Amino acid sequence: NAGVMQNPRHLVRRRGQEARLRCSPMKGHSHVYWYRQLPEEGLKFMVYLQKENIIDESGMPKERFSAEFPKEGPSILRIQQVVRGDSAAYFCASSPPYTSYEQYFGPGTRLTVT
Amino acid sequence: QKEVEQNSGPLSVPEGAIASLNCTYSDRGSQSFFWYRQYSGKSPELIMSIYSNGDKEDGRFTAQLNKASQYVSLLIRDSQPSDSATYLCAVNSGGYQKVTFGTGTKLQVIP
Repeated sequence: NAGVMQNPRHLVRRRGQEARLRCSPMKGHSHVYWYRQLPEEGLKFMVYLQKENIIDESGMPKERFSAEFPKEGPSILRIQQVVRGDSAAYFCASSPPYTSYEQYFGPGTRLTVT
Repeated sequence: QKEVEQNSGPLSVPEGAIASLNCTYSDRGSQSFFWYRQYSGKSPELIMSIYSNGDKEDGRFTAQLNKASQYVSLLIRDSQPSDSATYLCAVNSGGYQKVTFGTGTKLQVIP
C-alpha cells in the first residue's frame, strides 16, 4: 500500500511566479491536511480538506494561497506570486475516515524562492 | 497560552539511558494523543498513539497519558544514537479530524 505521495520533492521558483504542489493521499484516505515548516521551526497547520470541500483553512494566508481536493486527482496547494518568505518545506498528510485522527505524512515539497 | 506545549530542548541523554519527553495541552476535552518522530530534513513519522489514561508500550517506546493533569509523555528505553531526532506531540481537540502539533523536543543520544 503506497504511502502519501507528494510532488515535486523540490521546487525552485523565482519571485512572482506560481508554485503548485501536489499531494496524493494514501489509498482509502479521504482527509488531507497541508502544513508548512520553516527551518528549525515547528509544523504550522494550513488547511484541512475532504473531497471537494475545504473544512478548515484557518492557517492559510488569505492572499496568494489556495488549496483544493477535487473529486478526481490529487490535492493541490497553489501559491501565487511567490515571495522569498514562502521558502519552506510543505508537508501533506492524510487520514482515513471514521477513525482516530491518525495522520500520515508524505515526504514533503521543499520550495525555494529565488 | 499555547494549545500544545513542549520543551524545545535539546535533551541530551547517553546511549542506553531512558529518554523522557513531555507534553502538556490546554483543552480538557482532548481525546486523542500522538507522538511523531522527525529526523532532520525528513517528514514526521507517527510512532505512538494513545487514547486512554495510563501507559501504552510498543517496543522501546512507552506513551503515558494523564488527562486529569493534561499531560502526555514519551519514554524511550535503551536510547540509541539513531533515536536522535525531534519528537512532536500532537493532540486532537476538535470535533473533527484536526490535530494540533507542539513545536517539538530535539533529542540527542550521545554514544
